[in-house]
Amino acid sequence: GAGVSQTPSNKVTEKGKYVELRCDPISGHTALYWYRQSLGQGPEFLIYFQGTGAADDSGLPNDRFFAVRPEGSVSTLKIQRTERGDSAVYLCASSLPSGLDNEQFFGPGTRLTVL
Amino acid sequence: KNQVEQSPQSLIILEGKNCTLQCNYTVSPFSNLRWYKQDTGRGPVSLTIMTFSENTKSNGRYTATLDADTKQSSLHITASQLSDSASYICVVNGGYGGATNKLIFGTGTLLAVQP
Repeated sequence: GAGVSQTPSNKVTEKGKYVELRCDPISGHTALYWYRQSLGQGPEFLIYFQGTGAADDSGLPNDRFFAVRPEGSVSTLKIQRTERGDSAVYLCASSLPSGLDNEQFFGPGTRLTVL
Repeated sequence: KNQVEQSPQSLIILEGKNCTLQCNYTVSPFSNLRWYKQDTGRGPVSLTIMTFSENTKSNGRYTATLDADTKQSSLHITASQLSDSASYICVVNGGYGGATNKLIFGTGTLLAVQP
């Protein structure tokens, strides 16, 4: 079946603008995660959804970042008033209901560049 | 602070040779450890998973070891192929019970296999 998909694959925006990044998880995966990966670094946890609710948003860096998953499937990561430091690859992953051994399957990421 | 450190940062080997990548972690509590392979421009893909009680796990030419006492893991690649060129990321699950499946990523080892 299809894996995790993310759109757009690349996004270039200007400082101060608003952006939305979309994630389509694997069908049937109730857990969804967002990570941010800066160049030469490993991914950093941002937020985790179990179903429609954000079960853990402790990784969001500030209140400019927000994510939703209204129907428990597709999720959108929203960044307001973008800053150059927000430039990174944003990865989405999904898994079966969050269990410690359940593998997270990653999408290809969205590369965000803030000019 | 929960951390995962990897060495070397980068590695170049000739096709057909073996190599070993290292991972040290200070994550607590500890649930499991995975090695991921991340090709350029793609999301990470899980190679192996080990829990506290497991010492070694193989997946084809990949063999991972875990010493939970010293909090060290290694990934050994046998008879390397050009397609092994990628970033290899050590990932520790710091979740517990039914809590967030929160992954803590190392910065990765960038492996280049040359003909």
